[in-house]
Amino acid sequence: AQSVTQLDSQVPVFEEAPVELRCNYSSSVSVYLFWYVQYPNQGLQLLLKYLSGSTLVKGINGFEAEFNKSQTSFHLRKPSVHISDTAEYFCAVSLFSGGSNYKLTFGKGTLLTVNP
Amino acid sequence: DGGITQSPKYLFRKEGQNVTLSCEQNLNHDAMYWYRQDPGQGLRLIYYSQIVNDFQKGDIAEGYSVSREKKESFPLTVTSAQKNPTAFYLCASRRSTGTVYHEQYFGPGTRLTVT
Repeated sequence: AQSVTQLDSQVPVFEEAPVELRCNYSSSVSVYLFWYVQYPNQGLQLLLKYLSGSTLVKGINGFEAEFNKSQTSFHLRKPSVHISDTAEYFCAVSLFSGGSNYKLTFGKGTLLTVNP
Repeated sequence: DGGITQSPKYLFRKEGQNVTLSCEQNLNHDAMYWYRQDPGQGLRLIYYSQIVNDFQKGDIAEGYSVSREKKESFPLTVTSAQKNPTAFYLCASRRSTGTVYHEQYFGPGTRLTVT
């Protein structure tokens, strides 16, 4: 069974500083990888995804992530954060589970707080 | 605009009452999902449906029931058997035809409070 570990439950940073949100996963087979963002009392919005190809994936709002197969990691980065990036971020992996179904497993989330 | 609608946004119920949460999508997606979110716990899968009139239990299905009578609708009933129903409930859908993988899209959520 796959699992997802987000290594930090909370990450406080100052505005315009760089940030990295860490995600590790465990799976014995190939997976698809995602980062979602959730603003307070809202649903989840897809930031970026890795399906195949280049291991450096660029997403919306200036975020990017790098897939590292040997370290089973998919860390999310942004070179300069804004106050508006304050939100909870979820890493997720999708594993083929038969038929046309893919099971999506989420990490527990990282709360990014950007301070002025 | 295409999207997923969940209603109501906030729902209050007394303990012992069943309650049904609505989820509607006009994205023409085949697969639909229900998740439960608790603080610090991430999202956990309750039920999912890949086609009309078919659905499967997820990781925490006990105390919940669903139906899928129409492609665009996937209501979730929280029954009185669910021991701790207060949570944020998220519905999602995904296109599942073809050979390309398609990601899940999420609705805005319903916050259920049971007292």
